[in-house]
Amino acid sequence: KNEVEQSPQNLTAQEGEFITINCSYSVGISALHWLQQHPGGGIVSLFMLSSGKKKHGRLIATINIQEKHSSLHITASHPRDSAVYICAVNEMDSNYQLIWGAGTKLIIKP
Amino acid sequence: ETGVTQSPTHLIKTRGQQVTLRCSSQSGHNTVSWYQQALGQGPQFIFQYYREEENGRGNFPPRFSGLQFPNYSSELNVNALELDDSALYLCASSSSLSMGQGYGYTFGSGTRLTVV
Repeated sequence: KNEVEQSPQNLTAQEGEFITINCSYSVGISALHWLQQHPGGGIVSLFMLSSGKKKHGRLIATINIQEKHSSLHITASHPRDSAVYICAVNEMDSNYQLIWGAGTKLIIKP
Repeated sequence: ETGVTQSPTHLIKTRGQQVTLRCSSQSGHNTVSWYQQALGQGPQFIFQYYREEENGRGNFPPRFSGLQFPNYSSELNVNALELDDSALYLCASSSSLSMGQGYGYTFGSGTRLTVV
């Protein structure tokens, strides 16, 4: 079993839909990251969370430390949101590496 | 902020050759991590450098080595290239401040290495 599990693996939606991507992890963590990777390969850091909720524009990320679960929400989705969204964690007492989820490939159709 | 720059963006090497990939760190960051991402897979941690010292290493053989310079830029060197080394190599810079303030990592756009 992977230490970081994401669901769904693939998600196709229509423009304007509300999107939720889920992440569960099995290790103790000091932080959780949501990252975006476009087809060219570059990765953009969206959020770093250790508790609660963060919002940036149409993106919202939440984390429940007790349940070891995080969600990334996209409101009013747009075709430019199409990308791979990756959840990754810093394991407690091991801040020097990220443990990565497999990613969720999101396609937003116009 | 200058961001993180990786060079080259693409290169093709022959099996058995050696390659050096470069990564600048974002201004104010003193830590650089390197990751290998094979096609269709998630990134795998290679190693991390903090203040010019390696302070963490993933499950990669010794032919993967690195350096960090006083300006905190970094190099990844791979000797005796194998076909399976073909991948996107990503670097990410950070600092205790960026991690403590919740900004996390700044990633480069990657170097796509093809070994033929």
